[in-house]
Amino acid sequence: EADIYQTPRYLVIGTGKKITLECSQTMGHDKMYWYQQDPGMELHLIHYSYGVNSTEKGDLSSESTVSRIRTEHFPLTLESARPSHTSQYLCASSLNVGTGNTEAFFGQGTRLTVV
Amino acid sequence: AQSVTQLDSHVSVSEGTPVLLRCNYSSSYSPSLFWYVQHPNKGLQLLLKYTSAATLVKGINGFEAEFKKSETSFHLTKPSAHMSDAAEYFCVVSSSGSARQLTFGSGTQLTVLP
Repeated sequence: EADIYQTPRYLVIGTGKKITLECSQTMGHDKMYWYQQDPGMELHLIHYSYGVNSTEKGDLSSESTVSRIRTEHFPLTLESARPSHTSQYLCASSLNVGTGNTEAFFGQGTRLTVV
Repeated sequence: AQSVTQLDSHVSVSEGTPVLLRCNYSSSYSPSLFWYVQHPNKGLQLLLKYTSAATLVKGINGFEAEFKKSETSFHLTKPSAHMSDAAEYFCVVSSSGSARQLTFGSGTQLTVLP
């Protein structure tokens, strides 16, 4: 069992609200990722982090922001939610590049609906 | 640069018949390759991985994949499909020279017919 957790699992929220999606891992992994996935579609990387105080934007432009103040925690924030943000958000972590090409461990995902 | 192409967006098989999900990759560095499975409303689960050891890799639930460098392929197979195998499958490449490290294919939806 992978030790990576996302909360909440499901969230329905009104337009304009600020939301934070939580992601925590207890494996001591350096690298963490956020992916966005629409139903039946591929995953798109929106943010990643090499470690504490390191964050980078991914391949898909996103209005969300992330922070990495602690190794185990990688929250994603939307300052003002819009219906176009409705999607599933998947968090993942992996050992750092220097330790070889290890697999990523995924959380259960947060399904966000903005109404 | 690295990329992954999953050649079929949908595959349908009858229960008890073989499964073949195709994946081709490109990578400038020695890659590691993975197959993940995603059941409806669930997170991604690792099926198997290739990391430069044996080219034939066995995973969970009877799945296996063969790394063929000459064909730049990493196809996923299973001798006999089960209803519970119905899910979305993602092929993933990871290269040590890639900053983002993980590149996902577009996914293959496997349907298993009774």
